[in-house]
Amino acid sequence: QSVLTQPPSVSGAPGQRVTISCTGSSSNIGAGYDVHWYQQLPGTAPKLLIYGNSNRPSGVPDRFSGSKSGTSASLAITGLQAEDEADYYCQSYDSSLSALWVFGGGTKLTVL
Amino acid sequence: EVQLVESGGGLVQPGGSLRLSCAASGFTFSSYWMSWVRQAPGKGLEWVANIKQDGSEKYYVDSVKGRFTISRDNAKNSLYLQMNSLRAEDTAVYYCARYCSGGSCSNFDYWGQGTLVTVSS
Repeated sequence: QSVLTQPPSVSGAPGQRVTISCTGSSSNIGAGYDVHWYQQLPGTAPKLLIYGNSNRPSGVPDRFSGSKSGTSASLAITGLQAEDEADYYCQSYDSSLSALWVFGGGTKLTVL
Repeated sequence: EVQLVESGGGLVQPGGSLRLSCAASGFTFSSYWMSWVRQAPGKGLEWVANIKQDGSEKYYVDSVKGRFTISRDNAKNSLYLQMNSLRAEDTAVYYCARYCSGGSCSNFDYWGQGTLVTVSS
């Protein structure tokens, strides 16, 4: 069971908008720690997609955006493309548990 | 271009040991915290350990404390993970990752391709 909670799966048609939620608690997201998002394409290593809640590294399309409010965060993908089909993970820092850096369980995005 | 290349994975019996290596290039290795993150087959990501630039601070997830040791050699631009008393639940792909720089950052900004560790008799 992951410290950060994500839906196991989401789906959308090409061109649509989808969102992936990430719910934490008062010891991680709610404590003010930043949320980051990673994209893991099938058979590859994770890649940083969003850092510091809403910042995109160089090369990441602006179709990807992140937000944070209270104890939750969200990743939004607009103009969905077939190449976006992947697993997405949120990550934050936690001040109280056995793991200081924590991940969500991951969300499988299927492009219909 | 930042590159992280892991090696040292393989099949090991329960209770055995293994040492993973990560060769870094394309950035000033000695200026960054470094990390190991693992992913069990078909499962999500789990942070394992972090080490400060000079090796003076190290952090571990509870499940590996006392069994795993993270270390680095800045002269060789290399990161290591010594894994002892291995258990079946340690079976995973182990990724070497660069930890971001900057006072308030907390993410992993570059990842290697991973090396598979299988613990089985």
